[in-house]
Amino acid sequence: EPEVTQTPSHQVTQMGQEVILRCVPISNHLYFYWYRQILGQKVEFLVSFYNNEISEKSEIFDDQFSVERPDGSNFTLKIRSTKLEDSAMYFCAMEDREAYEQYFGPGTRLTVT
Amino acid sequence: KNEVEQSPQNLTAQEGEFITINCSYSVGISALHWLQQHPGGGIVSLFMLSSGKKKHGRLIATINIQEKHSSLHITASHPRDSAVYICAVKDTDKLIFGTGTRLQVFP
Repeated sequence: EPEVTQTPSHQVTQMGQEVILRCVPISNHLYFYWYRQILGQKVEFLVSFYNNEISEKSEIFDDQFSVERPDGSNFTLKIRSTKLEDSAMYFCAMEDREAYEQYFGPGTRLTVT
Repeated sequence: KNEVEQSPQNLTAQEGEFITINCSYSVGISALHWLQQHPGGGIVSLFMLSSGKKKHGRLIATINIQEKHSSLHITASHPRDSAVYICAVKDTDKLIFGTGTRLQVFP
C-alpha cells in the first residue's frame, strides 16, 4: 500500500502558539484531506483540498486554521493560535479517485498545554 | 440524531467466528468508507464503495443505497482483527464518521 507520511509524530505546544503539521503525499494524488480525532471521540472532517484550493471545510475549520501546499509536494495544516481544545490526533489522507482508495497518514498527536 | 450510526458499539468474538458490523446513514452520499483503527491510533482504509459488494481477503463490505445501509463482514475472525472499525460516508467532499465499533477477538 502506498505510504503517506506525517511530521512530527508528536507535537507539544503552549496555548497561543502557532503550529504547522506536515504531510508528505503520494505523488499523483490530487485530493487531500485533514481530519482530527480528540481522545476518546470520533474522527472529524476538517478540510478537503483539491487542485491547490480548499474544496470543502467543516465548521471546526475556522479562521485559526489554514492549509496549503507550499512547494507543490508537502501539504500543511497550520493552526495560528492554539487552544487547549485543539489537542487531538490529526490525520492527513490522500485519495486516488481512479482506484477508489483513500490512504491515511499515521497521524500527528498535538498536545496543547 | 447522528448522521452515521454504527452497531454494535462493542463486539467480542471467539477466534473463527463470523463477524458483522452494521452502518446506517441518513444523508445522501457519493461513497462509503470502512476504516480500521488500531490501538496505536493509525487508520487504515479497508474499503471505499458506492454500490454492491467488495471483498478483500477475509473482509467483505456491502452497501444498499436504497436502504442507506452498509455492512462489514469478517469471516474466520482472528485475534489480529481486534481493532475499532469505523464507517464514514462521503457527502460531496466531506466525510462524516461514525463513532466506531470496537471489536475484540479472543483466541
